[in-house]
Amino acid sequence: DTGVSQNPRHKITKRGQNVTFRCDPISEHNRLYWYRQTLGQGPEFLTYFQNEAQLEKSRLLSDRFSAERPKGSFSTLEIQRTEQGDSAMYLCASSLGVGTQYFGPGTRLTVL
Amino acid sequence: KNEVEQSPQNLTAQEGEFITINCSYSVGISALHWLQQHPGGGIVSLFMLSSGKKKHGRLIATINIQEKHSSLHITASHPRDSAVYICAVYTGNQFYFGTGTSLTVIP
Repeated sequence: DTGVSQNPRHKITKRGQNVTFRCDPISEHNRLYWYRQTLGQGPEFLTYFQNEAQLEKSRLLSDRFSAERPKGSFSTLEIQRTEQGDSAMYLCASSLGVGTQYFGPGTRLTVL
Repeated sequence: KNEVEQSPQNLTAQEGEFITINCSYSVGISALHWLQQHPGGGIVSLFMLSSGKKKHGRLIATINIQEKHSSLHITASHPRDSAVYICAVYTGNQFYFGTGTSLTVIP
């Protein structure tokens, strides 16, 4: 498998629950990005990693959101105490340096 | 106020027409990306450019750094080109995205 994979593809949760998403980038890619996209809008940047270091976080990323990339390979995005406004598609992408980004299929989160 | 503005928001074309989608941005950038997103599908990166012009098949992307403007052209459009086209800019530490241009090509 040479693409970016994300799991789960869909997640339905109740408000107040915690959720965690996983992204597996293309193996030789050192950069990994998280984005959020709501219906009818373009993606919004959340954060990115270079290897295991989190280099930038958007002001959109509230304290309830945390992302990790502990070994510089896969990454997890956790949302604590989910709110209905967190419902969105969460996209992951990876790249080699500042080159072309390759996107995963996304995880669609629905908060009831 | 959006850092990236695209026009038009929606575009319908007849098969075979030449199509132009525009992107203007207000921040200093190190690169600009054009992305394609099919309904219910994932995002595919079409181009990354920081100057001049790039061509891939029927797609051409241009950028004018001084004017902070980029265009995506599709020649001889085809129904399979129907998708949302998104412009994104990278400032060196942040990405900003346009809201996309929804293109429908009618046979």
